[in-house]
Amino acid sequence: DAGVTQSPTHLIKTRGQQVTLRCSPKSGHDTVSWYQQALGQGPQFIFQYYEEEERQRGNFPDRFSGHQFPNYSSELNVNALLLGDSALYLCASTPYGARVGVEQFFGPGTRLTVL
Amino acid sequence: DQQVKQNSPSLSVQEGRISILNCDYTNSMFDYFLWYKKYPAEGPTFLISISSIKDKNEDGRFTVFLNKSAKHLSLHIVPSQPGDSAVYFCAASAFNQFYFGTGTSLTVIP
Repeated sequence: DAGVTQSPTHLIKTRGQQVTLRCSPKSGHDTVSWYQQALGQGPQFIFQYYEEEERQRGNFPDRFSGHQFPNYSSELNVNALLLGDSALYLCASTPYGARVGVEQFFGPGTRLTVL
Repeated sequence: DQQVKQNSPSLSVQEGRISILNCDYTNSMFDYFLWYKKYPAEGPTFLISISSIKDKNEDGRFTVFLNKSAKHLSLHIVPSQPGDSAVYFCAASAFNQFYFGTGTSLTVIP
């Protein structure tokens, strides 16, 4: 049983470009959350998707958008990249209604570098 | 605004001794607290949690203590093992949103 998978592993972009990161949740999970982890910081909640809709959102600008597909996989899109967007982007999946945090499984992350 | 703080970036402990990792929070609305463990090149994995209505939760070698009046929680690992060497994140939840601390890197010396 594959866990949460993310692609690509690493990505290098330049300022102003757009990027799309992908996440496949753990089998049986239908809720996907995205986090940004800057160097030396803890993960920061970006948003959560369930039933192909954004259900909750953290304190991130509209440049950060997402999508969830019928197979529960998800994409994170970031437009007009800034140097400060350089970070590890983590995807986490959960069965809807699961105990808070306990059944949240994280992927290994995508390392985004903006030059 | 860092609502969850881990003030010790690193900690070194001898194998077999106790490891104590600390975490402070500011938001009194947090109703659930968790500890995650992270190895390099892997995502965080859930370790142990505690509800705000409890003050202690134990799972094998891991015990989490919650002091709501001080807005402080701690993770005790006894006895510490070399395989426990990792980054430990404290997290708190309110309305199903999670807020993470900056992590403490634990090194257990054989």
